[in-house]
Amino acid sequence: GQQLNQSPQSMFIQEGEDVSMNCTSSSIFNTWLWYKQEPGEGPVLLIALYKAGELTSNGRLTAQFGITRKDSFLNISASIPSDVGIYFCAGPTGNQFYFGTGTSLTVIP
Amino acid sequence: EAGVTQFPSHSVIEKGQTVTLRCDPISGHDNLYWYRRVMGKEIKFLLHFVKESKQDESGMPNNRFLAERTGGTYSTLKVQPAELEDSGVYFCASSLHGTGNFYGYTFGSGTRLTVV
Repeated sequence: GQQLNQSPQSMFIQEGEDVSMNCTSSSIFNTWLWYKQEPGEGPVLLIALYKAGELTSNGRLTAQFGITRKDSFLNISASIPSDVGIYFCAGPTGNQFYFGTGTSLTVIP
Repeated sequence: EAGVTQFPSHSVIEKGQTVTLRCDPISGHDNLYWYRRVMGKEIKFLLHFVKESKQDESGMPNNRFLAERTGGTYSTLKVQPAELEDSGVYFCASSLHGTGNFYGYTFGSGTRLTVV
C-alpha cells in the first residue's frame, strides 16, 4: 500500500518558535490532510488541501500541497504550549485514509 | 452532539486472552471505520462498515480479529487470541458521507491495548 513518511519524527522547541514539518509519499494523492492528535484524544483535522500547489492557512497553521502531489508541508508560527501533540499527514484513497508516521511536537514554555 | 465514543480507554491483557473493543459512532453516521496505531508507526486502516455491512476489510491483520456492527449502530472489534504484536491504540471513526467530507469524518479517543 501507499507509504507516507513524515519528518522530523520529533521536535522539541521553545515557545514562540516557528515549526516546519513535511510529509512525502511514494504515490500521488489528490488530497492531502493534516491532523493533530493531543494526548488521550483522537486525531482532529486541521487543514485539508485539494489542489497541487495550494497554500492554505488556519490561524497560525499554514499547509502546502506539493506540486508533484507526492508531498506536503505544515508550518506552525509562534508556537504555544497547547500546540503539543502528534501531527499526522494523511491521504484519502477510496474509503480509507493512509496516514504518515507522525511528528511529535513538544513546546517548552 | 455526542462524539464518537470508544471503550474501554485502556486494556491490559495477557497473551492468549480475548479482548473486545467497542465503538459508538455519532448518531446517524452510517459509515464506521476502525484504525490502529502500533507504537511509533503510522495509523493504519483496518476496516470500513456501511451500516451493518463490511464495505472493506482489507486492512484486518489476520483471522484473530473479528469486527461486527449488528443493527448498524455500535461496532465491536474482538481480538482472539491476543498476541504481543496486537498492542497499540485502536481508533474508531464515523462519518455521514464516507471520505468525501473530510471535516465530517470524526475520530474517537481510541482504546490503548497492551498485551503482556
